[in-house]
Formats: sequence, C-alpha cells, structure tokens
Amino acid sequence: SAVISQKPSRDICQRGTSLTIQCQVDSQVTMMFWYRQQPGQSLTLIATANQGSEATYESGFVIDKFPISRPNLTFSTLTVSNMSPEDSSIYLCSVASGTNSYEQYFGPGTRLTVT
Amino acid sequence: QQQVKQSPQSLIVQKGGISIINCAYENTAFDYFPWYQQFPGKGPALLIAIRPDVSEKKEGRFTISFNKSAKQFSLHIMDSQPGDSATYFCAARVYTGTASKLTFGTGTRLQVTL
Repeated sequence: SAVISQKPSRDICQRGTSLTIQCQVDSQVTMMFWYRQQPGQSLTLIATANQGSEATYESGFVIDKFPISRPNLTFSTLTVSNMSPEDSSIYLCSVASGTNSYEQYFGPGTRLTVT
Repeated sequence: QQQVKQSPQSLIVQKGGISIINCAYENTAFDYFPWYQQFPGKGPALLIAIRPDVSEKKEGRFTISFNKSAKQFSLHIMDSQPGDSATYFCAARVYTGTASKLTFGTGTRLQVTL
C-alpha cells in the first residue's frame, strides 16, 4: 500500500482565516480523496481529485469553501477557507491507484481546531 | 439512498473472546465491502475486505461474513486482544463510472479488557 503523509498534522486557527493541508504520496496514484471526520464520528467525503481535472465535490461541499489542487500524481492540497468553529475536524487524505480501484488507503489526518 | 448502517456503537469484549460488528446496506450497486481499523490520532487502516460473490473471507483472526440476500455483512474478531481496541468502520464501494466512492458506517468503538 502507498505511504501517505499530511502536513500539518494539527493546527489551531482563528476564525475567518484559511488553512491549506498538503497530502503527499510515495507513489503515483490516479485518485485522491479528501474526507472530513468530526471527533468521534464517521468519515464524510468532501471531494474527489483526479490529476488534470477539476475536483468533484459531494453534496454540501463547495469549491469556494474547500478549494482543491491536484498538480501531479503524488500531491494534492485542500484549503479550508474563511474558517468557523464548525470547521473544527480531522481532515483525511485518501488515495486509490486507479479510477476503478477497490482499495483506498488513508493518510494520518490533519486535526484542525478553529477558535 | 447510499447508506450503511453499523451496530453496535460500542462493544466491550474480554480478552480471548469474539468481537462481532454488523453492517447492513440498501444499495445493490455496492460491489466491495472493506473494514477499516482506526486508532486514536491515526488515519483509518484497511483491515480486510470482501466482494459480494464470496460469503466469507478470513485473514488471521479477522473474518468477514457476507449475506448478499440479506444485504448484511459482519466482522468477527476471534481471540480478541487488548491491542485490537480501536474504532472499526465498515464501508461499501460504488463505482460511479469515473471514480470509486466509499460510504462509511457510523463506527464501532471496541474495547478489549484483560
């Protein structure tokens, strides 16, 4: 399985500011996903990012709030914009080698607290 | 509705016992059913998975039982150990034509006591 790293691992931010989370994979992957996991809760898919195309957002998530970049096959960023305390959560990057791959592997997550 | 229902929410098992977590789904387009294990402060780790053409899959102490007609699947952890204490998520995959999408259950917090 791929080795996935995320930066930062955690951050405390003030409301109204933005934070960019980086996801780096040690091998080329077609699909990268961004999830949100509120403390003690399940995982919710924010968007799917294919290299070379616009990210596809799930219902309830919009590009203006969560812009995503996918410049190459090993890297992606998620920005949480104009943050509010409700954005406090764990943000997880996940990867799959192909568009129709079964296995998805997760990074360690970024724990965000908005004050 | 693409939903996966998971139970119980929490589970306490004695060391050496069997832990059983259940999931149910509605969408017959789901074609792959993984289980993830998550320790505090870590990302979910793929533990074991099954496809619907198989009724059971075993890997070490972990077994998935799959009942396609009932649209249910379960994780059995045999000889449960304190190191198994974690949160377990079932999930189900659908292929949209352009990407795989996982839908997760609500999670089960397992505690294995001595």
